[in-house]
Amino acid sequence: GENVEQHPSTLSVQEGDSAVIKCTYSDSASNYFPWYKQELGKRPQLIIDIRSNVGEKKDQRIAVTLNKTAKHFSLHITETQPEDSAVYFCAAANYGGATNKLIFGTGTLLAVQP
Amino acid sequence: GAGVSQTPSNKVTEKGKYVELRCDPISGHTALYWYRQSLGQGPEFLIYFQGTGAADDSGLPNDRFFAVRPEGSVSTLKIQRTERGDSAVYLCASSLDGQGSDTQYFGPGTRLTVL
Repeated sequence: GENVEQHPSTLSVQEGDSAVIKCTYSDSASNYFPWYKQELGKRPQLIIDIRSNVGEKKDQRIAVTLNKTAKHFSLHITETQPEDSAVYFCAAANYGGATNKLIFGTGTLLAVQP
Repeated sequence: GAGVSQTPSNKVTEKGKYVELRCDPISGHTALYWYRQSLGQGPEFLIYFQGTGAADDSGLPNDRFFAVRPEGSVSTLKIQRTERGDSAVYLCASSLDGQGSDTQYFGPGTRLTVL
């Protein structure tokens, strides 16, 4: 079945450093890849997404890269700040197919040390 | 504007009881999704509605779980004969029309605890 693997499960960085989270998906029909940030006890919130016809997308300190051949995508956060501390989830979906369900990774707990 | 809302925020029930969880999507959103999130895990898909109909219910774990969206807006997730393994946060999300790459906006979730 469809699967999304996410690494690392925990990541600790110093404030100002960069953080990278990597995901691999199994369904080659996937064409939509969002990243969600979830603070403790809160709802998941979209921070950035990318479609399969694009290799990279950037929004201020956040960027996502996609390698369709390798079925691999990554989240890059530069100049990390303490408020970036949260759990980050990657997801994949086949939008426009039979279903638009998101298949989520298992999450990465990011801790930014001041 | 108002985001996705869910009620109740917390529900504690006893094993074997019936529960209903409610989701109010963003006004005008035709696509609605239910997910379940266990502690330390990512959300797991349950069911997807496009309008009033369930376009994909492949994530419902068994026939104790059922969901409806009779008027294409509010949705109710119904769980019969609850089991301790049903304890989780149940998340609802909505998107504009389920096409293209439109964003799925999540509600705050209902934390279900089955004793």
